[in-house]
Amino acid sequence: EIVLTQSPATLSLFPGERATLSCRASQSVSRFLAWYRHKPGQAPRLLIYDTSNRATGVPARFSGSGSGTDFTLTISSLEPEDFAVYYCQQRSDWPQFTFGGGTKVEIK
Amino acid sequence: EVKLVESGGVVVQPGGSLRLSCAASGFTFDDYAMHWVRQIPGKGLEWICLVNWESSRIHYADSVKGRFAISRDNSKKSLYLQMNSLRPEDTALYYCVKDIDPPGSGRFDHWGQGTLVTVSS
Repeated sequence: EIVLTQSPATLSLFPGERATLSCRASQSVSRFLAWYRHKPGQAPRLLIYDTSNRATGVPARFSGSGSGTDFTLTISSLEPEDFAVYYCQQRSDWPQFTFGGGTKVEIK
Repeated sequence: EVKLVESGGVVVQPGGSLRLSCAASGFTFDDYAMHWVRQIPGKGLEWICLVNWESSRIHYADSVKGRFAISRDNSKKSLYLQMNSLRPEDTALYYCVKDIDPPGSGRFDHWGQGTLVTVSS
């Protein structure tokens, strides 16, 4: 099983600040990594797939980068709706998909 | 608008059985693979099973293999999860999830709100 480790566990920032979230895989996942935003009581939302492709309707403030074992999600300027939990997910080890433990982005 | 609405979550005793349903709308259901993903309260997400668009390929996580069964009825635009031999560790919020393509490449582009299953005596 490919284990995904996200850091930091919690990120405390002001609205308008830049957020940088990290996801590290226990073995290479090539570029088959996605990011999701999950707000309490809501369905998770796909933000980025295959490292850097924004899903339909996702604002340009979200961007992804990386390859192999190290990946980053960047939110260029935090909006109020961005304070949530973010999960990374790999699809390299098909079909044994796995998720990271999550990073909570909270208002400072 | 894509909508996925889960139902069937209840409190059930250990060893019991339960069937979850997911009603889909807003897209051509039989063109896409579907999954179930769960979230244990206060914890992260766990993928548990996949069915491709025509039900010819079905896969399970080891944690549920042999106990859970995923199925779909394309004529009813519905996805199902039959859960048998339930354990307390199966307590979770169960999400119905749409894949981005027919075979199920593992890109989850739409999720339901989830239905809560509690396994407790």
